[in-house]
Amino acid sequence: AQSVAQPEDQVNVAEGNPLTVKCTYSVSGNPYLFWYVQYPNRGLQFLLKYITGDNLVKGSYGFEAEFNKSQTSFHLKKPSALVSDSALYFCAVRDTGAQKLVFGQGTRLTINP
Amino acid sequence: GAGVSQTPSNKVTEKGKYVELRCDPISGHTALYWYRQSLGQGPEFLIYFQGTGAADDSGLPNDRFFAVRPEGSVSTLKIQRTERGDSAVYLCASSLTRVSTDTQYFGPGTRLTVL
Repeated sequence: AQSVAQPEDQVNVAEGNPLTVKCTYSVSGNPYLFWYVQYPNRGLQFLLKYITGDNLVKGSYGFEAEFNKSQTSFHLKKPSALVSDSALYFCAVRDTGAQKLVFGQGTRLTINP
Repeated sequence: GAGVSQTPSNKVTEKGKYVELRCDPISGHTALYWYRQSLGQGPEFLIYFQGTGAADDSGLPNDRFFAVRPEGSVSTLKIQRTERGDSAVYLCASSLTRVSTDTQYFGPGTRLTVL
C-alpha cells in the first residue's frame, strides 16, 4: 500500500530565506512523486514531479524537490521565499501501475514579510 | 487551453437529499478521477475512469455514491440520501492517459455542505 507523511502541519519562514517542506513516502514498487499547491478556495495546482533520472527536479515558480531513495523522501525546496508562496502544500505518491494519487495531510507554509 | 471545470462551485443541501456534481475534464484527456477533501485533510481517492468505464471505484465510501462518464468526457458524481458526513470539497482531475507517470490536473472543486 502507498502512503505519504508530511511531518509538519505548519512551516513559517521569513521572506527571502530558503524554505523546505518535508515529505516521506512508502510504496511497494517504484515511486512517482508529486507536489501540488492549494491556494484558498482553489483547486490543487501542479508544481513538479519525479519520475526517474536526476534526483533534483525543478518545477514552477522557482520550486525544486530532491528525491532521496535511501531516506524515502521528496522534500520541496526554494532558495528564496516570497510572501506569495504562502499556501497549503501537498505531497502525493503514485505506485508503479497504480492510478490513484495518495496524498499527505498537507503543510501550511507561511512566509512572513 | 481550458483547464478542468467543475459545477457548481458550491452546493448546499439538506440531509437526505440527492445531489449531482459535474466535472468537465481537459479536452483530449482520457483518464478522469474524483477525490474528496475533508477539512484539514489531503484529498482522498474516490473513483477513476478510463474512457467511459469506471476502472477503479474502490474509494467510494458506500453505495450511496455513484459516478458516470457516459461519453468518455464529462463525468457526474451522484450522491443519494446525503448525510452530514458527506460535507467536503469534491475534486475532479484528469490526465492525458492512464500511465502512472502522467500528471493529474485538478479542477477548482465543488464544496458540498449537507445541513
